[in-house]
Amino acid sequence: AQSVAQPEDQVNVAEGNPLTVKCTYSVSGNPYLFWYVQYPNRGLQFLLKYITGDNLVKGSYGFEAEFNKSQTSFHLKKPSALVSDSALYFCAVRDLHNFNKFYFGSGTKLNVKP
Amino acid sequence: NAGVTQTPKFRVLKTGQSMTLLCAQDMNHEYMYWYRQDPGMGLRLIHYSVGEGTTAKGEVPDGYNVSRLKKQNFLLGLESAAPSQTSVYFCASTPRTSSYEQYFGPGTRLTVT
Repeated sequence: AQSVAQPEDQVNVAEGNPLTVKCTYSVSGNPYLFWYVQYPNRGLQFLLKYITGDNLVKGSYGFEAEFNKSQTSFHLKKPSALVSDSALYFCAVRDLHNFNKFYFGSGTKLNVKP
Repeated sequence: NAGVTQTPKFRVLKTGQSMTLLCAQDMNHEYMYWYRQDPGMGLRLIHYSVGEGTTAKGEVPDGYNVSRLKKQNFLLGLESAAPSQTSVYFCASTPRTSSYEQYFGPGTRLTVT
């Protein structure tokens, strides 16, 4: 079975500091990985994806993610956090046997304090 | 473009009542999905559709039915609502030829008492 795990329910960081939101995956093959952000009372918005190629993926709003095959991780990062980055972040993986299905992690709440 | 829209935004039902949630997209996407979001559980796929007239079950399909009579619309039905169906429901769509990212609607908050 394919899945992703987000080990932290919440991450707290001070504005201006770097942030990392962790995601690990479990797939039998080369994964298709995604990060989404959800602001309060809104739907999810796509941030970035890894399909193949460069292990460092750049996305929207200054976010990037590093694909690490040996550690089966796809951590979301940003060099300098903003208060406006405070939101709920979801990691997701596409089902390799049924490309129409996606599996989401449980979400990590990011709190950026001024 | 409006993107993905959902109606209603909020609804309170009594146990045993029925209702239909409507999802509409104006991006001509082939694939559409219904998810439910519960605290600490992320999003779970209820049903999905790969095209007009076709639907398939996801992870948690029990108690729900869906229909896709038109390409732009994907309906989620609850025939006999239960308190366990209290959740926030999200619709999403994806074009067939894409990098696979999904486009989400704003959600419907459903409470079953």
